[in-house]
Amino acid sequence: EVQLVESGGVVVQPGGSLRLSCAASGFTFDDYAMHWVRQAPGKGLEWVSLVTWDGVTTYYADSVKGRFTISRDNSKNSLYLQMNSLRVEDTALYYCAKSAKERHFDWLLSHWGQGTLVTVSS
Amino acid sequence: AIQLTQSPSSLSASVGDRVTITCRASQGISITLACAWYQQKPGKAPKLLIYDASSLESGVPSRFSGGGSGTDFTLTISSLQPEDFATYYCQVFNIYPPPFGGGTKVEIK
Repeated sequence: EVQLVESGGVVVQPGGSLRLSCAASGFTFDDYAMHWVRQAPGKGLEWVSLVTWDGVTTYYADSVKGRFTISRDNSKNSLYLQMNSLRVEDTALYYCAKSAKERHFDWLLSHWGQGTLVTVSS
Repeated sequence: AIQLTQSPSSLSASVGDRVTITCRASQGISITLACAWYQQKPGKAPKLLIYDASSLESGVPSRFSGGGSGTDFTLTISSLQPEDFATYYCQVFNIYPPPFGGGTKVEIK
């Protein structure tokens, strides 16, 4: 069974930094691209970032480009999101999600974690 | 960037009703848009229902179906069940950045 467990969400001040983690199990982690998707309170879904299965290629939403960095450690079956220069509008539940297709490059998300809440507030 | 508009944004329906949600892309491009649909229940993560516009994800009940092509896509629930009351999101997943629709909340009448 695929399991994705996010952690690291806290309350942080504007301009601060935070690192989210996602522990993956139940599948061959290094065969799948991984994503972060966020959902502001009471709002819809916003894709944030993707990293390919080998960690070589990354993509970002314009809203986070230059501030967030996605990475992965395949030896630890873990995904990360380093978040810098945080803004109030980054407040959201951050989901880790697995690509649907093995070693395939698209944004179809087959499994999601339960999310970790990031609150940016002074 | 392509934007997705879902309609309606919310609806009230009864158990047993047939429900259709539409998703329209703001523009067509030179490639065929690949559409997916997700279901999200309150306090839960989204769940993939349909991909490639009409392919049912494994384990999803057959009362869910998807259709459409080009810039217009639909999600239909043939006979609404109590467990189907949720918010539904469309997504185009073969372009960057991959947009989500704004969501359609299906409520009990």
